[in-house]
Amino acid sequence: EPEVTQTPSHQVTQMGQEVILRCVPISNHLYFYWYRQILGQKVEFLVSFYNNEISEKSEIFDDQFSVERPDGSNFTLKIRSTKLEDSAMYFCASSEAVSYRSEFFGPGTRLTVL
Amino acid sequence: DQQVKQNSPSLSVQEGRISILNCDYTNSMFDYFLWYKKYPAEGPTFLISISSIKDKNEDGRFTVFLNKSAKHLSLHIVPSQPGDSAVYFCAATSTTSGTYKYIFGTGTRLKVLA
Repeated sequence: EPEVTQTPSHQVTQMGQEVILRCVPISNHLYFYWYRQILGQKVEFLVSFYNNEISEKSEIFDDQFSVERPDGSNFTLKIRSTKLEDSAMYFCASSEAVSYRSEFFGPGTRLTVL
Repeated sequence: DQQVKQNSPSLSVQEGRISILNCDYTNSMFDYFLWYKKYPAEGPTFLISISSIKDKNEDGRFTVFLNKSAKHLSLHIVPSQPGDSAVYFCAATSTTSGTYKYIFGTGTRLKVLA
């Protein structure tokens, strides 16, 4: 069964450093998303991406964040200068279509900012 | 601003009995709802969805009920199995407002006792 994969599973970084979280969405999916879940809190939408551009972003997704689909398979989330409060699980998701869709989530990357 | 609320953080049910997980929403624009199941160290897994044109959707042991006037939905699991023990998230979106994002509830941890 096709699945969304994410690497690394756990990333530890120092405050102020840049991190890149990587995702490989399901191959025939067209819509891509990043969500995050701070420990003990709800899953929060960050950004959606379609046709090589951002479709929508939340207020969390400020100038420190960027997304990219550098080739036909990877979808990345970059945090330019990490803050302590960026520590969370980051989930990548993909879907075939945007209406009446179900999003398939990856296993997540746990980001720890020290 | 919690647009999607799951007021029960946890629920314990005996194996074989019915599990009922509840979710309330405040945004009348929401017209599509999903339930996700999440095991520790894994991403959320799509379980079942319902559109606002329906009031019930059934898939095997899982049934979702939607009460639009009360802005309430519930997930019924019958019969409950120990493997159903997980965190269940309710999520909602508006398919007509041009948004691509889901708003998640805070989750309910279900424990099915053998």
